Amino acid sequence: GENVEQHPSTLSVQEGDSAVIKCTYSDSASNYFPWYKQELGKRPQLIIDIRSNVGEKKDQRIAVTLNKTAKHFSLHITETQPEDSAVYFCAAHNFNKFYFGSGTKLNVKP
Amino acid sequence: DTAVSQTPKYLVTQMGNDKSIKCEQNLGHDTMYWYKQDSKKFLKIMFSYNNKELIINETVPNRFSPKSPDKAHLNLHINSLELGDSAVYFCASSRQGNTEAFFGQGTRLTVV
Repeated sequence: GENVEQHPSTLSVQEGDSAVIKCTYSDSASNYFPWYKQELGKRPQLIIDIRSNVGEKKDQRIAVTLNKTAKHFSLHITETQPEDSAVYFCAAHNFNKFYFGSGTKLNVKP
Repeated sequence: DTAVSQTPKYLVTQMGNDKSIKCEQNLGHDTMYWYKQDSKKFLKIMFSYNNKELIINETVPNRFSPKSPDKAHLNLHINSLELGDSAVYFCASSRQGNTEAFFGQGTRLTVV
C-alpha cells in the first residue's frame, strides 16, 4: 500500500516568514495530492491540491509543487500570519483511499 | 448547510459497551470513509465505501462494523469497546476519482 511521509513534525516561524512542509509517497499510482489544514478541535479542511499532470499550483500565499519522478510534493506558505497556525496534513490518493502524512504543527509567532 | 455531519460529537462510555456513530452527507458523493485520529493527530483510514459497497477495510478489528444503508449514509458500530479505541473518528466523503474529501466535524470517543 501507499506510504506517505511528512516533515517536519513541528515548524515554528516568525510572522511574515515563509514555511515549507515536505512529503514523499511510495506508490507511483497515486495521482492526486491534497493538503489539509486542521485547527485545534476542528475538522481537516482542504487548502490546496495538485494532480499528477501538474508540477506546480499557486493560490495567493499558498503554493504546492509536485515532483512525480522523485515522488515528493511540498507546501509553501509565504508571508505567514498567526492565523496560519494549525496542523497541516499532506495526502496521496489512489484506489478510493486518501493516505495521510503524519502532520506538521505550524506555529506562527507574532 | 452541513455537508458532512456526524453524531454524536462527543461520546463517553465504559469499556465493554457497544456504541454507534452516525454519518450523513448531502453532497451527492459516491464514496464515504471513516478515519481514526489518535492523540498524536495521525489520520488513519479505516474503511472506504463506494455506492454502499465496502471497498477498503484497513486491518481494523472486526469489533468495528460499518454499515451503509444508502450512499448518503455510513454509520460505524463498535462492539466491546476498549481503552485503545479512544480517539477522534472522522467521517468523510468525496466524488469518485481524484477530488477533495470533505470531513465531518468528528466524534471524540472516550472509553473509560
